[in-house]
Amino acid sequence: SAVISQKPSRDICQRGTSLTIQCQVDSQVTMMFWYRQQPGQSLTLIATANQGSEATYESGFVIDKFPISRPNLTFSTLTVSNMSPEDSSIYLCSVEIAGGSSWMNEQFFGPGTRLTVL
Amino acid sequence: AQSVTQLGSHVSVSEGALVLLRCNYSSSVPPYLFWYVQYPNQGLQLLLKYTSAATLVKGINGFEAEFKKSETSFHLTKPSAHMSDAAEYFCAVSTKAAGNKLTFGGGTRVLVKP
Repeated sequence: SAVISQKPSRDICQRGTSLTIQCQVDSQVTMMFWYRQQPGQSLTLIATANQGSEATYESGFVIDKFPISRPNLTFSTLTVSNMSPEDSSIYLCSVEIAGGSSWMNEQFFGPGTRLTVL
Repeated sequence: AQSVTQLGSHVSVSEGALVLLRCNYSSSVPPYLFWYVQYPNQGLQLLLKYTSAATLVKGINGFEAEFKKSETSFHLTKPSAHMSDAAEYFCAVSTKAAGNKLTFGGGTRVLVKP
């Protein structure tokens, strides 16, 4: 398995500002993902964080709004830029551990960052 | 493309009664299927997964699910509900063709009545 931490756990931000969320894993992983969970809704994949290259964004999400970094195999950041109240959500990172183990194809999730934009 | 439909956004069960949460998937290639649970103000925890081995999968906390290809279903059950089972449950699908990206269903919130 993997232990994943996210910082901050929650924040309240003003409209027009930006917030960077950090995701740290206790072991090297090949795949890291960022999800958004809007209030009362399910999870939607924002992007796949690629180590050493630009993230791969899903339809409806763009790099200017959600820039992502992944400098190494254990760390990634997601920035929510120029925030509006519609960005109020829980943001979760997840990791997939590849290799010949029972954990193949399983994603582990971080505890999430609860963001409120005023 | 892959998708998941969870029937019923809310389910209410009595303590000790059967819990049944329905999940149907759509995938053009063999899927991997998962059930996650989310307790209030927490992240997601994996309950169980199907990855093309046994069709009846047993998970944590007494939950199990059965993969039925003919019905494209992966329903989650627990014989006897406990108060601690009150949470939101998400069914998810992934495939190698989609880069193992998870697609989630809308979620089912379970309320357990004493």
